[in-house]
Amino acid sequence: GAVVSQHPSRVICKSGTSVKIECRSLDFQATTMFWYRQFPKQSLMLMATSNEGSKATYEQGVEKDKFLINHASLTLSTLTVTSAHPEDSSFYICSARDRRAASYEQYFGPGTRLTVT
Amino acid sequence: GNSVTQMEGPVTLSEEAFLTINCTYTATGYPSLFWYVQYPGEGLQLLLKATKADDKGSNKGFEATYRKETTSFHLEKGSVQVSDSAVYFCARSQGNLIFGKGTKLSVKP
Repeated sequence: GAVVSQHPSRVICKSGTSVKIECRSLDFQATTMFWYRQFPKQSLMLMATSNEGSKATYEQGVEKDKFLINHASLTLSTLTVTSAHPEDSSFYICSARDRRAASYEQYFGPGTRLTVT
Repeated sequence: GNSVTQMEGPVTLSEEAFLTINCTYTATGYPSLFWYVQYPGEGLQLLLKATKADDKGSNKGFEATYRKETTSFHLEKGSVQVSDSAVYFCARSQGNLIFGKGTKLSVKP
């Protein structure tokens, strides 16, 4: 149980275009989902926390107008990178917290490799 | 502040060697502690966790004990395998997860 999927796993897009990444909890309901960014050989940086039915909370330094997050249901959150630039190229990972879980455990998706040319 | 510090890698070991990856944390109160593993090109997988002092998390031969007195959660394995080659992240949680910088482990046959 506790499987989180991401789609797509890899995407290449041109500068100026927008890309949407989906994060789904497959066998549980997630009231809270998290979006992370990972640069090569570095740790994960939390970008934002999204709660179902409400606006996402962005970490300091993350542009909310550039990284649009929508958490429309208890099993789906999307991250849209708008007007992408090469510096947005990165590995994006989502995680989800099971609403039934007592602990703070998060379940991670397999990640999406974004390359902006 | 609240942070996680883990030993810098890369760590290179021969198969069947003993592994220790140090991790210390700072936090207010008593956070939950985790070790995650990331295999090449993949997302993170939870390796083990401990939610209170003196708890020992264990999985796949890996162990870590929540030491409140030293604010540590060191990861150990008695005999590593080539398949253990990955990046290991220590993390603590009091609401949100805070990750260490990761330690790359390479195990040679």
